[in-house]
Parts: sequence; C-alpha cells; structure tokens
Amino acid sequence: GQSLEQPSEVTAVEGAIVQINCTYQTSGFYGLSWYQQHDGGAPTFLSYNGLDGLEETGRFSSFLSRSDSYGYLLLQELQMKDSASYFCAVKHDYKLSFGAGTTVTVRA
Amino acid sequence: SAVISQKPSRDICQRGTSLTIQCQVDSQVTMMFWYRQQPGQSLTLIATANQGSEATYESGFVIDKFPISRPNLTFSTLTVSNMSPEDSSIYLCSVESPEGDGYTFGSGTRLTVV
Repeated sequence: GQSLEQPSEVTAVEGAIVQINCTYQTSGFYGLSWYQQHDGGAPTFLSYNGLDGLEETGRFSSFLSRSDSYGYLLLQELQMKDSASYFCAVKHDYKLSFGAGTTVTVRA
Repeated sequence: SAVISQKPSRDICQRGTSLTIQCQVDSQVTMMFWYRQQPGQSLTLIATANQGSEATYESGFVIDKFPISRPNLTFSTLTVSNMSPEDSSIYLCSVESPEGDGYTFGSGTRLTVV
C-alpha cells in the first residue's frame, strides 16, 4: 500500500514563507504532486515532481528527493488567500494516493 | 487542462435510497477516477472507470454499493446505493492531464444522508 505523512496544520503571517514536508512510502512511484483545496472547493493542481529537484511556479515551489522518499511544498510571500488545505499525493501505477492534508492558516 | 462538469453539486437524501452522480469531461480521456472525501478528511480513491470495461475498485469499496458506468470517453456516473448516514461525504470525479502530471477534479457532490 501507500502511506504519506505531512503536518496537520501550519500557521504563519502574511508575507512569510511556509514549507510543508511530505514523506511517502509506495511501490510503483512515478512522482509527487501537490494540491490546494479551499473550504467547500475542489482540489486544484499546484505542482508535480517526477524527477529529483526543484520546480518553481510563481510563489510556489516544490521539491522532490526520490532517494529519501521526501518532498516539500514551499509557499512564499504568503497571502490571506493562501489559507487552505494542501495535500501531497503520490502518483503510482496510474492513480493518485493522497496524504492527510495540511491546513495552512495565514494571519494578518 | 480538461474541464469537468459534475452534478448534482449537492443533495440531501433519505437513507435506503440511491443517488447517481454524473461527470462530463470536455475532452476524451481513457480513465476517470472517483474519490470520496469525508468531512475534514483527505481524498480516498473509490474506483477507476475505463470505457468499455468494468471499473476497478479499491480495497473497501464494492460494485454493489458504488456501481459505475462509463458509456463513452467523456462521461461517467457513480451511484451511491442503499445509502446510510455514513455515506455522507463529498464525492469527486477526476481525470489526468494529457501531460501526465496533474489531475483535474470536478467541483464535487456534497451528499448528506438523513
């Protein structure tokens, strides 16, 4: 089976930087991705790492180390609208398995 | 990325009844995925729907409870059968992007069973 671990919640102030770590155990690993979900909304795709290294998309960056079965999502220049749940998800075989999610709360 | 229309967006149903959820994708896709998200929880894959073959169910989910149809490459339905209050959840469909990196989700169906 698959298991993913990420912190349950993080609180930070506007303008700060937040790093959400994700460790995983899975077979048939293809890559690690990140999704954002606001209350009452559907998950939206943020980033994907199929290879080791850093992927940058605007204020968000994601990192993967396949040898360590570890990745992180970096949220920079935090804004109030970034308050949401963030899920790491491993792509294995042809499907996704999700972590439990990290609730990020941004304070003014 | 694909655009998915999912309906209904929400429903309140009596226990013992069934509800069918529909997802329409604006492009042809090989696989469609159905997830359940219980209140405050993560997403759990129910099954994968392939056109022309029976759906593949994950451990803990069975066809009698969650029958799935996939009549063509742009449409799928999930039925939640003989509902109980424990079935109260958000149900989401999803497809993979053509690039093979991200997945797009429907807007979800918020089901309450009373």
